[in-house]
Amino acid sequence: DSGVTQTPKHLITATGQRVTLRCSPRSGDLSVYWYQQSLDQGLQFLIQYYNGEERAKGNILERFSAQQFPDLHSELNLSSLELGDSALYFCASSVATGGQGYRDTGELFFGEGSRLTVL
Amino acid sequence: AQKVTQAQTEISVVEKEDVTLDCVYETRDTTYYLFWYKQPPSGELVFLIRRNSFDEQNEISGRYSWNFQKSTSSFNFTITASQVVDSAVYFCALSESVQNTGNQFYFGTGTSLTVIP
Repeated sequence: DSGVTQTPKHLITATGQRVTLRCSPRSGDLSVYWYQQSLDQGLQFLIQYYNGEERAKGNILERFSAQQFPDLHSELNLSSLELGDSALYFCASSVATGGQGYRDTGELFFGEGSRLTVL
Repeated sequence: AQKVTQAQTEISVVEKEDVTLDCVYETRDTTYYLFWYKQPPSGELVFLIRRNSFDEQNEISGRYSWNFQKSTSSFNFTITASQVVDSAVYFCALSESVQNTGNQFYFGTGTSLTVIP
């Protein structure tokens, strides 16, 4: 058990719909990362938050958005869903020492993922 | 350019054979971290090892061993006496520190290992 909790584990929805994926990081971890893994694909970095603030963006579509709340949990919102959005969405958290450099010193701890199927 | 390259897309070995998964990385940082993760068929990502750039000592953990060579920017992973349970996709990753952003993690495309009984 990595300590990172993702809900829901499975989600089936229709094209055009909107879904929200939730992530609770490990206790004490300030950084949250979202990754997308499509079938037979590697991990595509979507977005990173540190202590409530967006820190880095990867290949995240405009139809997708995310936020990190004061209690450090994060949500990834996917809207106007398309068939190609079907994927495994991972949340990961990392220890960060904070300070000027916001330096993470450890590995990413991944949740079990949310498997999204768009029909 | 890829920061982390795993040239082997798929590997199949017979049980009890040794297998090495290659990982080549690219960075200009002097301080960075390297990782290996395992993704079994069940889908979760399991952390295997972290190495920082100042520690080039090879590490052995049971049947797993890692060879970190800065001179060739490689961080290869060897499984000795492979078992069916080792069948999974293995990802190599690089972490760089970005000022005021925190670490950026870059994952390779993964190597799918199949161990045949």
